[in-house]
Amino acid sequence: GNSVTQMEGPVTLSEEAFLTINCTYTATGYPSLFWYVQYPGEGLQLLLKATKADDKGSNKGFEATYRKETTSFHLEKGSVQVSDSAVYFCALISRDSSYKLIFGSGTRLLVRP
Amino acid sequence: DTAVSQTPKYLVTQMGNDKSIKCEQNLGHDTMYWYKQDSKKFLKIMFSYNNKELIINETVPNRFSPKSPDKAHLNLHINSLELGDSAVYFCASSLPGTSTDTQYFGPGTRLTVL
Repeated sequence: GNSVTQMEGPVTLSEEAFLTINCTYTATGYPSLFWYVQYPGEGLQLLLKATKADDKGSNKGFEATYRKETTSFHLEKGSVQVSDSAVYFCALISRDSSYKLIFGSGTRLLVRP
Repeated sequence: DTAVSQTPKYLVTQMGNDKSIKCEQNLGHDTMYWYKQDSKKFLKIMFSYNNKELIINETVPNRFSPKSPDKAHLNLHINSLELGDSAVYFCASSLPGTSTDTQYFGPGTRLTVL
């Protein structure tokens, strides 16, 4: 079946450091890929998405590129801020999973001043 | 101008009680969902409705019963609550006619069963 694997956290960085959170997926067909973010005590917000191979999603300085050859969708940011501290979820959706979002286990990011 | 709203935000109740969580979206979406987030932050779909019709029903105890009175509302009723039902429940909706597109989430309802 379809699945998403994320690197385990927590990831602890100093402000202005470079961020990478790894995400790989298993899916039949051509899924759409998403990153959602959950700030402390809040709900899920869409951060970015990509719907086909080689697409790059970007938002708020975060980027991720849909790599079909490596089945990956790694999240990157060049310079993190304390306000980026949150839990980040990689997810996919595909027609053969009845359009339900399948989430990775989440990666907690802690950015220290 | 809230897009997806849920009530209540917090719900504390005793084992064995019956409770409901309400969800409303004003985005004009056709499809709505319920997800459960456990204590380890793991998220899993429970149900999905499209135009008031149930289209996804994961392996969920039949104590959980979703109800969609119209396409803007999807409520979740839980009978005979158990300790293991404690979790955060998220409602979501997606764009009409394109179920593969983005799902927008509500703020969540934190259910605590004592």
